[in-house]
Amino acid sequence: DAGVIQSPRHEVTEMGQEVTLRCKPISGHDYLFWYRQTMMRGLELLIYFNNNVPIDDSGMPEDRFSAKMPNASFSTLKIQPSEPRDSAVYFCASRGQGLDYGYTFGSGTRLTVV
Amino acid sequence: GNSVTQMEGPVTLSEEAFLTINCTYTATGYPSLFWYVQYPGEGLQLLLKATKADDKGSNKGFEATYRKETTSFHLEKGSVQVSDSAVYFCALSDQWTGNQFYFGTGTSLTVIP
Repeated sequence: DAGVIQSPRHEVTEMGQEVTLRCKPISGHDYLFWYRQTMMRGLELLIYFNNNVPIDDSGMPEDRFSAKMPNASFSTLKIQPSEPRDSAVYFCASRGQGLDYGYTFGSGTRLTVV
Repeated sequence: GNSVTQMEGPVTLSEEAFLTINCTYTATGYPSLFWYVQYPGEGLQLLLKATKADDKGSNKGFEATYRKETTSFHLEKGSVQVSDSAVYFCALSDQWTGNQFYFGTGTSLTVIP
């Protein structure tokens, strides 16, 4: 199994530009999560999906952020327009059914907005 | 509600020293407990877990025992190595909100030769 795959690994963009982060979860996992990690705020859950349906998006900071999961093998997190304060590492994670299952995290996308 | 509290870091130890990272939790149900490790530039990796009271999770020389009476899940290792330098996160998954993990703030560990 290739694990959770995120792309790109690094993204540098100018303020105001649209940014799209991508995630491919582990095959068979029903849940997909998007997290943001910064030094100041640590790990923050942005949104999660169950069977491709968004369940809780209360962590999405504002309307500039949107996430989709068009099928079981692909999800995107979009920021439009981007701002310098969006600079962070964004992680995608997936898990299977059952309380005993841990998350499997991707390697993250380091976003820098200048 | 659910929450996890970890000891503040950073922690710096000499090689072969004993490690303890404290973790306590608050949960509305009967949670499963986890420790994750994050090496520099990487995502979080599951280190060990325990799913019920008195269970001991262990992996790579690390251990943690699920203590319901003290609501704790402290991480220990008898002899740390330089390669253990990383950030360690305690987390819980509750039976009522099992889809979502609650993470602690992380504890940075640096092991010096």
